[in-house]
Amino acid sequence: AQSVTQPDIHITVSEGASLELRCNYSYGATPYLFWYVQSPGQGLQLLLKYFSGDTLVQGIKGFEAEFKRSQSSFNLRKPSVHWSDAAEYVCAVPRGDSGGYQKVTFGTGTKLQVIP
Amino acid sequence: DGGITQSPKYLFRKEGQNVTLSCEQNLNHDAMYWYRQDPGQGLRLIYYSQIVNDFQKGDIAEGYSVSREKKESFPLTVTSAQKNPTAFYLCASSIGEGRGPGEQYFGPGTRLTVT
Repeated sequence: AQSVTQPDIHITVSEGASLELRCNYSYGATPYLFWYVQSPGQGLQLLLKYFSGDTLVQGIKGFEAEFKRSQSSFNLRKPSVHWSDAAEYVCAVPRGDSGGYQKVTFGTGTKLQVIP
Repeated sequence: DGGITQSPKYLFRKEGQNVTLSCEQNLNHDAMYWYRQDPGQGLRLIYYSQIVNDFQKGDIAEGYSVSREKKESFPLTVTSAQKNPTAFYLCASSIGEGRGPGEQYFGPGTRLTVT
């Protein structure tokens, strides 16, 4: 069965520092991959997605992610973090089954704290 | 503006009462979903619907029920049979089967507290 692992529950970075959030997946075929951001008490907003092609994907708010098949990873990066980036970040993998790709496996999330 | 609305934002109920959470979308999406979010756990799928008048159980459907009478609406009822109903509930929608690998758009959520 597909699984998504986000090994870091909580990360703290200084404003202006670079950021990398880890996501590892277990999937038989080449996966589709998503990163979402969730502010406290809110729904999820899609940051970026990987379907195929270029393994470096650009998203909104200055985020990017790189798909590395050899490492089964899809890590999220940002070169310079802003205080407004403090939120929870969730990696997700759509599951392929008889219903298409309508079901999604979500990671447990990484909570990002930004300090001045 | 297109989007998903969920109401109410906070809901309080006594144990043993059924409660219905509202979800409406104006994105013209065929598929809609209900998730439950608990601290330290990933989102878990309760029910989903790919088309009007049809829906399927997700991973944790016990104690929940849904209906899909209109394309825009997908209400979730938390019944008294749900053993641990206190949680944050998220509704989502997507274009639908065969037209994309499940990119989903989320509502703001309803926090349900049952005492």
